[in-house]
Order: sequence, then C-alpha cells, then structure tokens
Amino acid sequence: AQSVTQPDIHITVSEGASLELRCNYSYGATPYLFWYVQSPGQGLQLLLKYFSGDTLVQGIKGFEAEFKRSQSSFNLRKPSVHWSDAAEYFCAVDGGTYKYIFGTGTRLKVLA
Amino acid sequence: KAGVTQTPRYLIKTRGQQVTLSCSPISGHRSVSWYQQTPGQGLQFLFEYFSETQRNKGNFPGRFSGRQFSNSRSEMNVSTLELGDSALYLCASSLGSRGDYNEQFFGPGTRLTVL
Repeated sequence: AQSVTQPDIHITVSEGASLELRCNYSYGATPYLFWYVQSPGQGLQLLLKYFSGDTLVQGIKGFEAEFKRSQSSFNLRKPSVHWSDAAEYFCAVDGGTYKYIFGTGTRLKVLA
Repeated sequence: KAGVTQTPRYLIKTRGQQVTLSCSPISGHRSVSWYQQTPGQGLQFLFEYFSETQRNKGNFPGRFSGRQFSNSRSEMNVSTLELGDSALYLCASSLGSRGDYNEQFFGPGTRLTVL
C-alpha cells in the first residue's frame, strides 16, 4: 500500500542552524513527491515538488529536497533556519488515483 | 490569479446537525479534492471531483458527501454531525487531467467545531 512516513513528530533547532526533515515513502512506481508547510490555522503552502529529472530540487524560502530512490526518501533541508520557519511540514506523494497521501507531519520549533 | 477560496472559514455546529462547506477552485482548474485534517488522524483524503463526477473517494462514512457544479465549484456536506467531525477541512484544486502530473493548490480551510 502507498504510504508516507515522517519519523520525527517534533524537531527543535536554533535559529541559524541547519535543518533536515525526513520523509520516506512507499510507492510502486516513480512517485510525484511534495513538501508543504502549514502555519497555525492556515492552509498548505507548497515548498517544492519532484516529479522527474534532477534529484535535488530547489524550492521557495531557501528549502531544498533530495530524492533518493534507493532509500525511498525525499528529505527536506535548509542550510540556515529563520525564526519564521517555525511551522508544521508535510511530505506527500501523489497516489496516482487523483489523491495525495500525506505523512503525519513534523512540527518545527525554532529557538532564538 | 485568485487562489482557492473556502467558505465559511469558521463554523460551529451541534451534534446531529448537518453542514455544507464550499470551495471555489482556481480559474481553469477542473479538479477539486477535499481533505480532513485532525490532530489525531492527520490529513486524510475525503473525495475528488472532476467535471462534476466523483473520481475517487476516501474511507469515510456515507455521512460525508460532496458534489461539483458545472463551474467547478464544489461543496461538501456532512450530515448528522458527530463530535469527531471537528476538524479543519481543506479543499485543493488542480487541472485534473488524467495521466498528467497534477499539482494541488490548497485553500485556507474551513474550521468546523462540533459541540
């Protein structure tokens, strides 16, 4: 069955530190993968997406993600975190039947 | 171009009542998907409509229903509300073409509270 796993429920980093959020997927074919961010009480904003080509994908707000087929992973990274990055982050896969499958989310806290 | 809009943004109902939520997709988008977001279950897919037809449905009881109009606007209805239906309901729109990569654009959501 298709699934997305985000192993870290909460992550706390200091402002200026680097960040990596983990995402593992289970999908039979080449997946379409996404990272979304959600601020409290808000909808989802797309950070970046992967559907083919270069496995290192650049997104908005200085985020990037790397698709690793051998590890079934699509980890999100940022070299230097800003206080405004505090939010919840969701990894998703296009399930191929007109629906997205989301991970359970990782809540990021940024220390000043 | 305007994004996905959802109305109302907040709603308070009591158990046993019914509720209708509305979603207007981005102009030109023909697919509308609905998701329920709760702290315990996360983001779960409800259903997807394309050209007024439901193409996929998640694992929710029949109390949850939806429809799509000819202008691609969509509504979802929840009948006989239960406390557990309290959630953020998110709508997403996309081009929806079969076989194509489709990016979903999300609205701000409707926060439903059932008392």
